[in-house]
Amino acid sequence: DIQMTQSPSTLSASVGDRVTITCRASQSISGWLAWYQQKPGKVPKVLIYRASNLESGVPSRFSGRGSGTEFTLTIGGLQPDDFGTYYCQQYHSYPYSFGQGTKLEIK
Amino acid sequence: EVHLVESGGGLVKPGGSLRLSCVASGFKFSDWNMNWVRQAPGQGLEWVASADTGTSMYYAESVKGRFSVSRDNAKNSLYLEMYNVRAEDTAIYYCARGWYDDSRGHFFDSWGQGAHVTVSS
Repeated sequence: DIQMTQSPSTLSASVGDRVTITCRASQSISGWLAWYQQKPGKVPKVLIYRASNLESGVPSRFSGRGSGTEFTLTIGGLQPDDFGTYYCQQYHSYPYSFGQGTKLEIK
Repeated sequence: EVHLVESGGGLVKPGGSLRLSCVASGFKFSDWNMNWVRQAPGQGLEWVASADTGTSMYYAESVKGRFSVSRDNAKNSLYLEMYNVRAEDTAIYYCARGWYDDSRGHFFDSWGQGAHVTVSS
């Protein structure tokens, strides 16, 4: 089974900052990776798929990169609405798996 | 608009059983892979099971042999039968539609609001 590990677990940043979250897979998943945002009490929302493709309606300040085992989600120009927890998910093979999450707090 | 509505959650004793349902609307249900994803209190997301468009079903190791996923395309419904439940099965169970990306795998593009399951004596 493929294990997904995110870092950092928590992140505190200011409005306007550029932040990067890293996700590592225990084996190569090529580019079969999605990123989700979840706000407290809300359902997850997909932001990025296939490592770097922006889901329709997602602001362009979100971007994803990577392939193989290392991936990043970058938010360029942090907005107050960007607080929440971010998860990566591999869909290279079953069983699908998520990272443990990165909680982003706005200073 | 895609709409997924879960039901069937509640309080169940350890070793007991429960059946969750998810009714879908706004898309052709039979053409889509469907999934259950859960989230324990204060914890992260865990994929639980998938029901593919054919007859293939897939499970997380943590529920294999205890949970059974099924679908009824005539009723636009996805089900999760939970048997021999444990305290660690306590979670919000989300129904999620799987977008089949380039014929490889699925990410989850639409989610229901979730069904709360509590396993406690």
